[in-house]
Amino acid sequence: GAVVSQHPSRVICKSGTSVKIECRSLDFQATTMFWYRQFPKQSLMLMATSNEGSKATYEQGVEKDKFLINHASLTLSTLTVTSAHPEDSSFYICSAIGSKGETQYFGPGTRLLVL
Amino acid sequence: GDSVTQMEGPVTLSEEAFLTINCTYTATGYPSLFWYVQYPGEGLQLLLKATKADDKGSNKGFEATYRKETTSFHLEKGSVQVSDSAVYFCALSDTGGSYIPTFGRGTSLIVHP
Repeated sequence: GAVVSQHPSRVICKSGTSVKIECRSLDFQATTMFWYRQFPKQSLMLMATSNEGSKATYEQGVEKDKFLINHASLTLSTLTVTSAHPEDSSFYICSAIGSKGETQYFGPGTRLLVL
Repeated sequence: GDSVTQMEGPVTLSEEAFLTINCTYTATGYPSLFWYVQYPGEGLQLLLKATKADDKGSNKGFEATYRKETTSFHLEKGSVQVSDSAVYFCALSDTGGSYIPTFGRGTSLIVHP
């Protein structure tokens, strides 16, 4: 099946720094990628949808200046958490779909801890 | 809008017990339905899916049937193993073009030896 990778898998940073998380589709071209945030023991919260070459569409309540998303190519999307604070600590998961199907393939997630 | 309702967890079973995790949905049109599994510390993996009414998705001993009349997609397994311990998410996807899924809250399954 399709594979989506994320890097890094885990990151610890100081408050005020920015953190970039990469999401790659390894064996297919992802026309659309999604970024989710998951709080402990809760479901996934969709943060934004990004299409290659265009600006991301953010869900209501998600700060676009705080969570910068770039979908530079058909295989790579990045999420940058700017000026991270402890409340940004969470599990961030990306997913991708290709041009043909509606099935989403998820990355393994990135656990962010902001001290 | 679209929504997915799953049974509250955790579901605690002994090994080899029968598993049912209920999932019902509301949607306009004819969505595709999915079950995803999340093992501890990992992302979500697609477990099975069904794209139209009466379809049965199956994988790794798990099954779910798309029931349009009851708007349900219950997950079942005849004999669970300790390794099945995970969180299971039911989801639907609007086939109208957006493909943005709607997830249930997840149901934690704990299987004891």
